Amino acid sequence: DTAVSQTPKYLVTQMGNDKSIKCEQNLGHDTMYWYKQDSKKFLKIMFSYNNKELIINETVPNRFSPKSPDKAHLNLHINSLELGDSAVYFCASSQLISTDTQYFGPGTRLTVL
Amino acid sequence: GNSVTQMEGPVTLSEEAFLTINCTYTATGYPSLFWYVQYPGEGLQLLLKATKADDKGSNKGFEATYRKETTSFHLEKGSVQVSDSAVYFCALSDQRGSQGNLIFGKGTKLSVKP
Repeated sequence: DTAVSQTPKYLVTQMGNDKSIKCEQNLGHDTMYWYKQDSKKFLKIMFSYNNKELIINETVPNRFSPKSPDKAHLNLHINSLELGDSAVYFCASSQLISTDTQYFGPGTRLTVL
Repeated sequence: GNSVTQMEGPVTLSEEAFLTINCTYTATGYPSLFWYVQYPGEGLQLLLKATKADDKGSNKGFEATYRKETTSFHLEKGSVQVSDSAVYFCALSDQRGSQGNLIFGKGTKLSVKP
């Protein structure tokens, strides 16, 4: 069974559209994250959720809105997509403590045309 | 703020060569340190970690030692294989809000030639 799964794997869309990326983990973890990896492979945290509550919200445009319907799911909704949003988005999960390993999903490659 | 600096790539080695990828960090408090690996077309996987000073993490022949005095966590492997070709990320756990979101270095691409 896949520990952290994301859908879709690839997403190609036009500027101005609204899209969502879904993430699910079956590890029983309390904390989930969204990271963005740019074209130069640089990874940066976007959001962190613990037990369905937002813990960390880095400097991310308001067009990005995470939603956690339950502990096992953290979805990312993006409004009014821009060219600069093109990237690979990774979901991850871990237990609460900061020393714990984070388990990453396979990533969603978003291309905005 | 907290940050991670790792050596620029790409690094190209022949099979069985010795590998070192340098990583230094800046942090307040006592973060945990990690090496993650990303194989082509895949997500990140934990390679090894160390949670306190002088700890050595090891896995699959890779090693890294948490050096507080030099704020370093260099990755080493004595004999690389073609299958080690990947992008390697050094990371530290950010202690803010007691949540462990990771701060990553920029990644080092390793290519191993037969």
